[in-house]
Amino acid sequence: DTGVSQDPRHKITKRGQNVTFRCDPISEHNRLYWYRQTLGQGPEFLTYFQNEAQLEKSRLLSDRFSAERPKGSFSTLEIQRTEQGDSAMYLCASSGEWASEQFFGPGTRLTVL
Amino acid sequence: QKEVEQNSGPLSVPEGAIASLNCTYSDRGSQSFFWYRQYSGKSPELIMSIYSNGDKEDGRFTAQLNKASQYVSLLIRDSQPSDSATYLCAVNIPNDYKLSFGAGTTVTVRA
Repeated sequence: DTGVSQDPRHKITKRGQNVTFRCDPISEHNRLYWYRQTLGQGPEFLTYFQNEAQLEKSRLLSDRFSAERPKGSFSTLEIQRTEQGDSAMYLCASSGEWASEQFFGPGTRLTVL
Repeated sequence: QKEVEQNSGPLSVPEGAIASLNCTYSDRGSQSFFWYRQYSGKSPELIMSIYSNGDKEDGRFTAQLNKASQYVSLLIRDSQPSDSATYLCAVNIPNDYKLSFGAGTTVTVRA
């Protein structure tokens, strides 16, 4: 039983570049979440999918951010025109349809220079 | 007012002692409560979930919930150096699947 996986684990980019992260949830989980965590803070919710439908987006998710889950399996999070303030750990989590417990992947640490 | 607040750390306890972590939440409709452990540079790991008032024990961990006081706590008994981590309290409300997290309390267990 594999857990949530994320790729890449680390990404260093220059300001203004676009980046894309991938998340593969636990196989039987139909709910998938993206969170962002900065140093000294708890994770902050970004967006949530049930199967392929994106059901909720945080106001933190500016127009530069877009997320997809095209076939209800893996998800991608893209950040366009990155800014230094985007530097953070991007966490993906998944849960089953009838469970509220969320399990996190290892995260993608983004550094914007 | 933040949705979820945790007592500020860091919390330093001697090996073998009990570490007590506290968390309060603002939404009275909250019904699911979680404790995550996060080692430095790693992602959060779910260690306890609690849904009804009272105590829930799992090994050396005990979660306590008091919905009337909007308070949830985590006790770590017989603390070990491997328990040194940041502990995150998370809450959600019915039909709202996102979790709201506190800022975390960092625990250091000294030998």
